Amino acid sequence: GQSLEQPSEVTAVEGAIVQINCTYQTSGFYGLSWYQQHDGGAPTFLSYNALDGLEETGRFSSFLSRSDSYGYLLLQELQMKDSASYFCAVSGTGGFKTIFGAGTRLFVKA
Amino acid sequence: EAGVAQSPRYKIIEKRQSVAFWCNPISGHATLYWYQQILGQGPKLLIQFQNNGVVDDSQLPKDRFSAERLKGVDSTLKIQPAKLEDSAVYLCASSHRGGSYEQYFGPGTRLTVT
Repeated sequence: GQSLEQPSEVTAVEGAIVQINCTYQTSGFYGLSWYQQHDGGAPTFLSYNALDGLEETGRFSSFLSRSDSYGYLLLQELQMKDSASYFCAVSGTGGFKTIFGAGTRLFVKA
Repeated sequence: EAGVAQSPRYKIIEKRQSVAFWCNPISGHATLYWYQQILGQGPKLLIQFQNNGVVDDSQLPKDRFSAERLKGVDSTLKIQPAKLEDSAVYLCASSHRGGSYEQYFGPGTRLTVT
């Protein structure tokens, strides 16, 4: 089967750096993605890793280790608007059976 | 480019009634997904289409849920009959190709079953 684990909540202060971890178990692996969702809004795509290593997009970076079935999302220079839920998602072989984690709620404090 | 369109945005029905949701994906996107998101949880994939064929419906409660994608473009998700536990936001997403790579989500339909 497939499952993902990520922390339920993280709190950080404005301007700080925060890391949200995701461990997964899947039969076959296609890629690991990260999505942001504000309350009442739809998920929006942040990043995608298919190979090991770090992908950087502005203030956000995402890391993947396929051998450890582990990834993380790194948010730098936190802003109040970053307060949201963050989901990791994986798909199995062929890109099928996309599974989302339960989400990590990030609270950014002034 | 226009985003993923969904309608209606809100729907309130009584249990045992039927309801249908409509989705128009981004033009040219071959893959279309329907998700159910219960408050406080991550999206749960119900069905994935590649063009007009189903590639995954393993989590679709087929005794009450059905979905189709006409001519590989628009899609409709139906619930018949609805149960209280079907209260959730139903999200439609599309992508150029399969997998979790860059899915674009519509605004969702918030369903309340009373």
